[in-house]
Amino acid sequence: GAGVSQSPSNKVTEKGKDVELRCDPISGHTALYWYRQSLGQGLEFLIYFQGNSAPDKSGLPSDRFSAERTGGSVSTLTIQRTQQEDSAVYLCASSPKGSRDTQYFGPGTRLTVL
Amino acid sequence: QKEVEQNSGPLSVPEGAIASLNCTYSDRVSQSFFWYRQYSGKSPELIMSIYSNGDKEDGRFTAQLNKASQYVSLLIRDSQPSDSATYLCAVIRGGTSYGKLTFGQGTILTVHP
Repeated sequence: GAGVSQSPSNKVTEKGKDVELRCDPISGHTALYWYRQSLGQGLEFLIYFQGNSAPDKSGLPSDRFSAERTGGSVSTLTIQRTQQEDSAVYLCASSPKGSRDTQYFGPGTRLTVL
Repeated sequence: QKEVEQNSGPLSVPEGAIASLNCTYSDRVSQSFFWYRQYSGKSPELIMSIYSNGDKEDGRFTAQLNKASQYVSLLIRDSQPSDSATYLCAVIRGGTSYGKLTFGQGTILTVHP
């Protein structure tokens, strides 16, 4: 079956612009995670969605970052007024539900802020 | 102290040898432990999970967990050039009811023919 998909695969933007990154999880997976991978920080958690519960936003680095998940499926990560330090690969993962369920990662979106 | 630390690499082993990858974690009540493999330019892929003390074997891979020492390792037997990748140790901390992963910095493994 189809895996996690993300779009765009690459995004180049100018400092100060807003960007939207999209994630389509595996069908039927109720848990959705966003992570960020950068050279200096490694792979770090950003936000978690589970069904209709309130998301865990504890990993978002600043209030310029926000995310939503519509209809319990597709998720969008928005970064406002991008900064050069936002340059990274943004990874989305989904899992069936539980904490022990395998998380399946999407191919990521490489964001470059000039 | 970092929450999850991996042995500094890069690690280079000859084909057919055993590769040993190590990871320590700081949260004593961490509950779930994972090893992910990440090829260059690709996304992480789960290769092993372990939840209780001892060894867990899957093909050429063995994960070892020692909660008293806060230590988890991955052994790769009969290493192949296709095993060359970055290996990421990940932990679910205590008190977390879902799969929020905390990752180590990764160890780059190179298996040379």
